[in-house]
Amino acid sequence: AQKVTQTQTSISVMEKTTVTMDCVYETQDSSYFLFWYKQTASGEIVFLIRQDSYKKENATVGHYSLNFQKPKSSIGLIITATQIEDSAVYFCAMSPNTGANTGKLTFGHGTILRVHP
Amino acid sequence: EAAVTQSPRNKVTVTGGNVTLSCRQTNSHNYMYWYRQDTGHGLRLIHYSYGAGNLQIGDVPDGYKATRTTQEDFFLLLELASPSQTSLYFCASGRDRDYEQYFGPGTRLTVL
Repeated sequence: AQKVTQTQTSISVMEKTTVTMDCVYETQDSSYFLFWYKQTASGEIVFLIRQDSYKKENATVGHYSLNFQKPKSSIGLIITATQIEDSAVYFCAMSPNTGANTGKLTFGHGTILRVHP
Repeated sequence: EAAVTQSPRNKVTVTGGNVTLSCRQTNSHNYMYWYRQDTGHGLRLIHYSYGAGNLQIGDVPDGYKATRTTQEDFFLLLELASPSQTSLYFCASGRDRDYEQYFGPGTRLTVL
């Protein structure tokens, strides 16, 4: 069975700084996909960025980037130059890439990010 | 224009009642998913589908049925609602099973 753990319940940072959110996962699969989603105060859930387990390069999209450490089963989300509107709940999720369970996302419990002016 | 829509947005029912939650996507995606979100549990997969007429069991399927009538429409059915099913329900779609998912706005269901 898969498991995704986000140990940071909440983080507070000052605007324009860099923040890293941690995520560790457990899986028996040799190939898998890792995702980060953001849930805004209105409840909207938005896809941010993904990492395929077979890719060594860390994914980057805009001011989001990933720190993928496969030997540690870790996929950290890095947000640079944070903005007030980055305040949200951030979810880490994974999906296997093999077998019948491909596409079944397992989510962590989320990390609340508060960005202060 | 929103690509994944859900209706109703809010629903209150009584224990034992029948509830149908609707989801429509205009992304032309093959996969559709139903999740529930609860404090302390995060998002949990109830059922999903990879096409019209197909249904796959998720991680928390007990008490729920689902039906995918077209590529666009996916329904979640609670035939004998219980208070434990009070939750925030999200529908999502994905192009294929290894692609990111796009979520609807959610339906808040309260079972009294």
